[in-house]
Amino acid sequence: VIWMTQSPSLLSASTGDRVTISCRMSQGISSYLAWYQQKPGKAPELLIYAASTLQSGVPSRFSGNGSGTDFTLTISCLQSEDFATYYCQQYYSFPWTFGQGTKVEIK
Amino acid sequence: QVQLQESGPGLVKPSQTLSLTCTVSGGSISSGSYSWSWIRQPAGKGLEWIGRIYTSGSTNYNPSLKSRVTISVETSKNQFSLKLSAVSAADTAVYYCARERPTRDGNNYLGGFDIWGQGTMVTVSS
Repeated sequence: VIWMTQSPSLLSASTGDRVTISCRMSQGISSYLAWYQQKPGKAPELLIYAASTLQSGVPSRFSGNGSGTDFTLTISCLQSEDFATYYCQQYYSFPWTFGQGTKVEIK
Repeated sequence: QVQLQESGPGLVKPSQTLSLTCTVSGGSISSGSYSWSWIRQPAGKGLEWIGRIYTSGSTNYNPSLKSRVTISVETSKNQFSLKLSAVSAADTAVYYCARERPTRDGNNYLGGFDIWGQGTMVTVSS
């Protein structure tokens, strides 16, 4: 099993801030990583796949970086609709696993 | 536009079998090289992948649940299903079905769950 350490678990920020979330793997996964956004009571939505490719329709203020064991999700200019919980997910080795989540809240 | 919808009992007794169905609409479950997964989320907690199926019937399961899980597909009904046996309170969660893209498409890296159902809450309680 590939273990994922996502940090921070809680991030307090203001509209307009640049924020970065980290996801570290217990072993290398090349670029087989996705990021999701989840709002309360809703299903997750795919933001980024293959570590850095933006899903169609996702605003360009979202970006992903990394390969191997260390990955980041950056929101360049936080908007009100971005306050949510974010998850990373690896699809390099079964079972697919998710990070613990990062809640981005209003400071 | 492909959409997924989970259905099934919202309350299951301990030791019984949880059964859920995911109906695919707006497209054929058999088109493309997608796989079809079940994912769950206990209240206030993170996401756990349960397993997946291809329309060929090929499956992969999470080892933590493998002894209790069966995922099946019925292409004629555009549906796939989850059965989880011998449930306990620890299985109480929102259950999602989701479409997963192939990891590679030629030289392009893909992957990720691109379409999700809205989720259905299942409570295990007597």
